Amino acid sequence: QQQVKQSPQSLIVQKGGISIINCAYENTAFDYFPWYQQFPGKGPALLIAIRPDVSEKKEGRFTISFNKSAKQFSLHIMDSQPGDSATYFCAASSGSARQLTFGSGTQLTVLP
Amino acid sequence: DAGVIQSPRHEVTEMGQEVTLRCKPISGHNSLFWYRQTMMRGLELLIYFNNNVPIDDSGMPEDRFSAKMPNASFSTLKIQPSEPRDSAVYFCASSFPQGRGYTFGSGTRLTVV
Repeated sequence: QQQVKQSPQSLIVQKGGISIINCAYENTAFDYFPWYQQFPGKGPALLIAIRPDVSEKKEGRFTISFNKSAKQFSLHIMDSQPGDSATYFCAASSGSARQLTFGSGTQLTVLP
Repeated sequence: DAGVIQSPRHEVTEMGQEVTLRCKPISGHNSLFWYRQTMMRGLELLIYFNNNVPIDDSGMPEDRFSAKMPNASFSTLKIQPSEPRDSAVYFCASSFPQGRGYTFGSGTRLTVV
């Protein structure tokens, strides 16, 4: 019940295209859904996050869509750039300490 | 702010040896988390502390793993004895209450041969 399932495992997109990564969860106690971006040799860094009281959040080229009834959320990267090439993790948390449960990750490659 | 500081960045050790990984959280953060990252299992939460007290260590894989947080500015993750299957990148993260400012360190890449 603690799992967060992420797909696809890898994604290749042309420069300027849209990258879409999907996640699903089971634990209805989760109330915070962040996305993390990780470059090789670095720790994950917070990219954007959403709470279940809204269905969409946009920050620049990055948008989270959230479907509470389906227990799914997704990351859309518009106008994808080669610099966006990284591993993306969805995550979910609950509780006062906000310990994160991560998805398995998506390795995104944006071709120039 | 220097962020979450982990040491060493890389550790190569022989099977059976004791390994100690270190973490200095961001000043003022009251929660500290240890994660392990492998290709097979992704990012796994091992243990977390709140105000220096271990709250949930259910992710610690075996009794060979132990973690301490003697004060608000330092934590260790110890593996004794180490085994090749412990090879992974170990991340420390810290945050303010309610997960504000959740920040990861750069990790320690552990190789057990």
